[in-house]
Amino acid sequence: EGQLVESGGGLVQPGGSLRLSCAASGFTVSSNYMIWVRQAPGKGLEWVSVIYSGGSTYYADSVKGRFTISRDSSKNTLYLQMNSLRAEDTAMYYCARGVEYWGQGTLVTVSS
Amino acid sequence: EIVLTQSPDFQSVTPKEKVTITCRASQSIGSSLHWYQQKPDQSPKLLIKYASQSISGVPSRFSGSGSGTDFTLTINSLEAEDAATYYCHQTSSSLGYSFGQGTKLEIK
Repeated sequence: EGQLVESGGGLVQPGGSLRLSCAASGFTVSSNYMIWVRQAPGKGLEWVSVIYSGGSTYYADSVKGRFTISRDSSKNTLYLQMNSLRAEDTAMYYCARGVEYWGQGTLVTVSS
Repeated sequence: EIVLTQSPDFQSVTPKEKVTITCRASQSIGSSLHWYQQKPDQSPKLLIKYASQSISGVPSRFSGSGSGTDFTLTINSLEAEDAATYYCHQTSSSLGYSFGQGTKLEIK
């Protein structure tokens, strides 16, 4: 079944950068498709990005060109590099393995 | 981009009632539609995958149906613990996944 633990969230100024991590245990990140999903305070779920086992990556239009999804097989960890952050990026960020297994999330706040 | 539209946005129901939530896709997505339950301050929990496949550990009162563009989540004999927000999620298009806007279920 496995476990996912996100980290790296925090308070950042507009225009700043942050890298989120999603440490996996019990399964191999690189053998699965992994996604990032975010949820702004009081709002619904928004798909952010996906990385497939073959390495292909795709992004929501709202983050394309600013966010980069990647993985490190040696650390069995998924990442989300977030640059040029905006106030509207403020959200809880979740990583998930396919559709079934989700982490508890890490909160990103973009504010001056 | 595939847009998912759920209805209703909000529903207030009594225990033991039967609840139906629908999710309509802007284009055909086959059976690549999944349903989640989310309670406050918790991660989403998968209830149904690929339109109608049940998930181990999820009560049998939850069921799903549909294909193409129209999907339904049914909760039979609602219980107080089912108060939550429910989301549909499509994984048909590798170019971009999406979620419905959510349906908030209140128990009277």
